Formats: sequence, C-alpha cells, structure tokens
Amino acid sequence: QKEVEQNSGPLSVPEGAIASLNCTYSDRGSQSFFWYRQYSGKSPELIMFIYSNGDKEDGRFTAQLNKASQYVSLLIRDSQPSDSATYLCAVSGGYNKLIFGAGTRLAVHP
Amino acid sequence: SAVISQKPSRDICQRGTSLTIQCQVDSQVTMMFWYRQQPGQSLTLIATANQGSEATYESGFVIDKFPISRPNLTFSTLTVSNMSPEDSSIYLCSVPGTARTDTQYFGPGTRLTVL
Repeated sequence: QKEVEQNSGPLSVPEGAIASLNCTYSDRGSQSFFWYRQYSGKSPELIMFIYSNGDKEDGRFTAQLNKASQYVSLLIRDSQPSDSATYLCAVSGGYNKLIFGAGTRLAVHP
Repeated sequence: SAVISQKPSRDICQRGTSLTIQCQVDSQVTMMFWYRQQPGQSLTLIATANQGSEATYESGFVIDKFPISRPNLTFSTLTVSNMSPEDSSIYLCSVPGTARTDTQYFGPGTRLTVL
C-alpha cells in the first residue's frame, strides 16, 4: 500500500514568517511530487511540482526533495494571511495516478 | 491548463437514490480521473476514465456503485448509486496537464449531501 504522510496541523505562523510543510512517502520508486493548495470549500490548486533531488523555487514557494530520505517539503517565505489553506502533498502512483496525503492546515495570523 | 466544469455544484439527496455528476473539459484529454473527498479528509481516487474503454476502478470502489461513462474526449459522468449518508462527500474530476501529463488539474467539485 503506497502511502503519503503529512502532519495534519494546524501549523500556525505569524505573517512574514517562513512556513515549512513536510511530507514523507513510502514508495521508493515514486518519481514525481506535487504540492496542492486547497482553500476551504474549493478544489485543490496545483502550486508546485518537483522531480529531482534538491530545491525548486517559484516566487515565495520552494519545494525540496530528498529521495534517499523519501521526504518532500514546501517552504513558503514571507507568509501572508492569504496563504492560510490546507496544503496537500501528492506523489505519483504510476499510470498518471496521484496518491495524496491527508493535508496540513496552515494558519497565518497577522 | 484546461478549463474544467462540473454539474451540479452541490446537491442534497435522499438515501437510496442515485445522482449523476457531469465533468466537462474545454480540450480533448485521454484520461479523466474521479476523486472523492470525504469531510475533513484528503482525496481518494475512485477510478480512471479513458475514452472508448471501461473505467479502471481503485481498490474499494466498484462499478455497480460508481458507474462511469466517457462518451468522448471532453466529457465524463460519475453516478453515485443507491446512496447512503456515508456517500456524503465532495466529488472531483481531474485531467492531466498538457505540458506535463503527470500533473493533474481539478474541476470545482460537486458537494453531495445524502440524508
């Protein structure tokens, strides 16, 4: 059974701080890793994907991947109240399928 | 990414009835995916729908309960049959990205409440 684990939170950070969201996965053969943001009552929105070990930056977001440790993370710099949402980690499960973690709820307070 | 619409956006149904959810995409896609998101939970893949072939169901989901149609490359339906309160969930369709087919983009979802 392929699994993706996330801390459910809530993770509470002050405005302007760095939010660090973490995810581990069980299938060592996974090749693609994704972060989705889901606002309450809305559908998931793809914000980052990463395929290679190391860091990938896009604006205030940085995804980090360590395949040896089976660990992927998302850093949000200069966190804003508008970043308050649930962040879902997803891992490729073969045949273009995605396996999702339970999500981490982030709360950014002014 | 493709523009995806779903109908209905929400519904309240009586137990024992069935509801068909529609998913429309503004471009042709080979694969479409149907997910369920139960209250407070993450997304669980129900099935993969390919045009011209039977849908492929994930463990725990069966065709009699969740029949799927895929009549063309821009449209799919998911039916939730003989509903019970445990079927109260958000149902989402998704399609692969065009630049990277291992990415997925989601429709707005259908919020179903079964009484």
